[in-house]
Amino acid sequence: EAGVTQFPSHSVIEKGQTVTLRCDPISGHDNLYWYRRVMGKEIKFLLHFVKESKQDESGMPNNRFLAERTGGTYSTLKVQPAELEDSGVYFCASSQEYGRYEQYFGPGTRLTVT
Amino acid sequence: KNQVEQSPQSLIILEGKNCTLQCNYTVSPFSNLRWYKQDTGRGPVSLTIMTFSENTKSNGRYTATLDADTKQSSLHITASQLSDSASYICVVSGGNSGAGSYQLTFGKGTKLSVIP
Repeated sequence: EAGVTQFPSHSVIEKGQTVTLRCDPISGHDNLYWYRRVMGKEIKFLLHFVKESKQDESGMPNNRFLAERTGGTYSTLKVQPAELEDSGVYFCASSQEYGRYEQYFGPGTRLTVT
Repeated sequence: KNQVEQSPQSLIILEGKNCTLQCNYTVSPFSNLRWYKQDTGRGPVSLTIMTFSENTKSNGRYTATLDADTKQSSLHITASQLSDSASYICVVSGGNSGAGSYQLTFGKGTKLSVIP
C-alpha cells in the first residue's frame, strides 16, 4: 500500500510569488490534514478535510493560504503571494477515521521563500 | 493555552543503552497522547497512541507511559540502536470542541543521537 505522497519535495520561490503544494493521501482515507513546521518551532495544525469538505480550518494563518480537495482525493495548498515567514516544512497526513486513529504523514515539502 | 513541552531538547547515548524522554502537556480536554518518531527529511511515524484509561503501551523496544492526572508522559527506549537516532515528538489530541475536538498539538521534539 502506497503511503502519503507530497510534491514537490522542495520549492524555492521569491517573495510575492505563488506556490502550490500537492498531497496524495493513502487510498481510501477520507480524512486529510495539512500541518506546517517553521524553523525552530513545533509542527502546527493548519486544516482538516473530510472528503472534499473543510472540517476545521482554524489553523490557517491568513487568507494568503488556500487549500482545496476537489473530488475528495488529492489536496492542494496554495500560497499567494508568498511571504518570508511562510518558509518551513509543510506536512500532509491522512487517516481512515477521525479521532483516536493513527494519522499517516507524508515526507513533507520544504518551502523556502527568499 | 494548549501546549506540549518536551525534555530534554537533545540527548546523546551510547548504542545499547536505555533512555527516557519526557513530555508534559496542558491540552484540555484531553483525548489521546501519541509519540512519533521522525527521521531527518521524513514525516513523523506513529509509535504509540494512548487514551485516558491507558497508562502504558509498548511497541517493540519503545514503551510509553501516561499519567493523565499529572499530565505527564514518558517514552522509554530499551537497548538503543543506531537506527533509533531521530527526533521523538510527543503529540496530544484534544483541546478544542466541535469540529476540532481531536486536533493535534505537537511538542518541539527531543533529538536523540545514538552513537557507537
